[in-house]
Amino acid sequence: GAVVSQHPSWVICKSGTSVKIECRSLDFQATTMFWYRQFPKQSLMLMATSNEGSKATYEQGVEKDKFLINHASLTLSTLTVTSAHPEDSSFYICSARDREQPISYEQYFGPGTRLTVT
Amino acid sequence: AQSVTQLDSQVPVFEEAPVELRCNYSSSVSVYLFWYVQYPNQGLQLLLKYLSGSTLVESINGFEAEFNKSQTSFHLRKPSVHISDTAEYFCAVSYNQGGKLIFGQGTELSVKP
Repeated sequence: GAVVSQHPSWVICKSGTSVKIECRSLDFQATTMFWYRQFPKQSLMLMATSNEGSKATYEQGVEKDKFLINHASLTLSTLTVTSAHPEDSSFYICSARDREQPISYEQYFGPGTRLTVT
Repeated sequence: AQSVTQLDSQVPVFEEAPVELRCNYSSSVSVYLFWYVQYPNQGLQLLLKYLSGSTLVESINGFEAEFNKSQTSFHLRKPSVHISDTAEYFCAVSYNQGGKLIFGQGTELSVKP
């Protein structure tokens, strides 16, 4: 159980275009999802916390207008990278917290999406 | 500021040797600790966690970690590693209920035959 999927697993886009990444909890409901960014050989940096039905909370330094997050249902959150540039190339990972297990504090991670902007 | 430090960026070790991956966190009244493993081009998998109770926690594949409050550490150990343990290991901390995870820089464990 507790499976999180991401789609696509990898994407290549041209500079200036927008890319949408989906994060789904397959066998549980997630009131909270998290979006991380990971550069090669580096740690995960939290970009934003996404709560179902409300606006995402962005970390300091993350551009809200560039990284649009929508959490429209208890099983789906999307991250849209708008007007992508080569410096946005990275590995994007989402995670989700099971609403039925609030005190476990565990986050279930998706497999990640490799974004390359040319 | 709250932070997590993994003291070793790379740990090379021979197969069947013991290993310790170190993790220290900034002090707090309450803390919840995690170790995650990441294989190349994959997401993170939970290895083990400490929420409360016994300070020694174990995983199903032979890893263990001990919560040491006085030293603010949560080091990961395995008495005998396998080639398949080669991966990136991340220590993470949550400082409050439902709070976000703060990750360490990661330790690349490389097991050689």
